[in-house]
Amino acid sequence: EDQVTQSPEALRLQEGESSSLNCSYTVSGLRGLFWYRQDPGKGPEFLFTLYSAGEEKEKERLKATLTKKESFLHITAPKPEDSATYLCAVQDWGSNDYKLSFGAGTTVTVRA
Amino acid sequence: GAVVSQHPSWVICKSGTSVKIECRSLDFQATTMFWYRQFPKQSLMLMATSNEGSKATYEQGVEKDKFLINHASLTLSTLTVTSAHPEDSSFYICSAVRLVSTDTQYFGPGTRLTVL
Repeated sequence: EDQVTQSPEALRLQEGESSSLNCSYTVSGLRGLFWYRQDPGKGPEFLFTLYSAGEEKEKERLKATLTKKESFLHITAPKPEDSATYLCAVQDWGSNDYKLSFGAGTTVTVRA
Repeated sequence: GAVVSQHPSWVICKSGTSVKIECRSLDFQATTMFWYRQFPKQSLMLMATSNEGSKATYEQGVEKDKFLINHASLTLSTLTVTSAHPEDSSFYICSAVRLVSTDTQYFGPGTRLTVL
């Protein structure tokens, strides 16, 4: 069974204070690792897909990296608008219909 | 691109009534759609997988007679909560996978259901 563990559970940052979120995973065969952002009362917003160890992707102040056991989401010089819950999910080659297994999320609060 | 809509965005109903929630992929065709449920401060819980033209596959513990799913076309899936009770109150979110790129799930904005 796929397992996804995100840490920390919550992260409070000062504006401009860079930090990283961790997503460790156990999967029989990784098809893809996904990062989403979710604002309160809304559906998750797609950020990145990573497919193989060593891969990196960037979008504005966010950078996602992948190893064989974990992924990191780096937030550089965050702004208050980066406050959200960040969800990590994995897709297993062995699962049917491209199902995702989600972690519990990291809630990031950025203070001005 | 990859916009998914849900309707309604919120609904309040009386116990015992049925509620239908629509999920539409607006700018792409979706081979597969998923229905999730999310409780406050918790992550998404997959309820069922819906493929166009075939019966939905439900996750363990999800009552298929209570949560009816219909995937009538490549752009529309519906979830009907039958004989709703207060414990069915939750945030329901759908997602869709593109026909041409079948890995990334794009999520709708969610539907808040409150059963009185």
